[in-house]
Amino acid sequence: QKEVEQDPGPLSVPEGAIVSLNCTYSNSAFQYFMWYRQYSRKGPELLMYTYSSGNKEDGRFTAQVDKSSKYISLFIRDSQPSDSATYLCAMSATGANSKLTFGKGITLSVRP
Amino acid sequence: SAVISQKPSRDICQRGTSLTIQCQVDSQVTMMFWYRQQPGQSLTLIATANQGSEATYESGFVIDKFPISRPNLTFSTLTVSNMSPEDSSIYLCSVAWAGEGAQHFGDGTRLSIL
Repeated sequence: QKEVEQDPGPLSVPEGAIVSLNCTYSNSAFQYFMWYRQYSRKGPELLMYTYSSGNKEDGRFTAQVDKSSKYISLFIRDSQPSDSATYLCAMSATGANSKLTFGKGITLSVRP
Repeated sequence: SAVISQKPSRDICQRGTSLTIQCQVDSQVTMMFWYRQQPGQSLTLIATANQGSEATYESGFVIDKFPISRPNLTFSTLTVSNMSPEDSSIYLCSVAWAGEGAQHFGDGTRLSIL
């Protein structure tokens, strides 16, 4: 079993839709959870960072962490064509100073 | 936010040769890392670049194949040695600052081996 599993996609939604992206993990030591967005031919760009369980909101983006279920989610409200990218979940046990373990990523396409 | 520059952005190399990739940050950072992103696979940590000492390698990666240098707090290099087609991948540098919760990435080096 992989440490981090991410829905494989791809995912295509109409503009304005609510998008839900999810990852599950098996390592209970993970405490730091991140979502990155990666455009074609670019490096991953940090979108959201959460420590431990709970919700975090930033504009149209909401990150949720449920450590009891080992499940994290990223919600995108009012999705825009500019949100079309690959989304990567990542997590670590001890924060930014150590190894990040990534999901494979899911490619999202938002249709105008 | 800081600028993380990687050079070259892409290259096509012959098997058996070596390529050195550079990562330059415009401010001092605490940590620097090197990752590999293979098609259809998760981003995988190769090693942590330690300033003034030998890099710390993850399981499956060795210094002879991926020598790393970090001479100061803003610069690191990764060399891919004796390349084979299996080394075709995107190589990414990431950095972290003390007290920050997440790593930040450069745009990567896209490497193809013929």
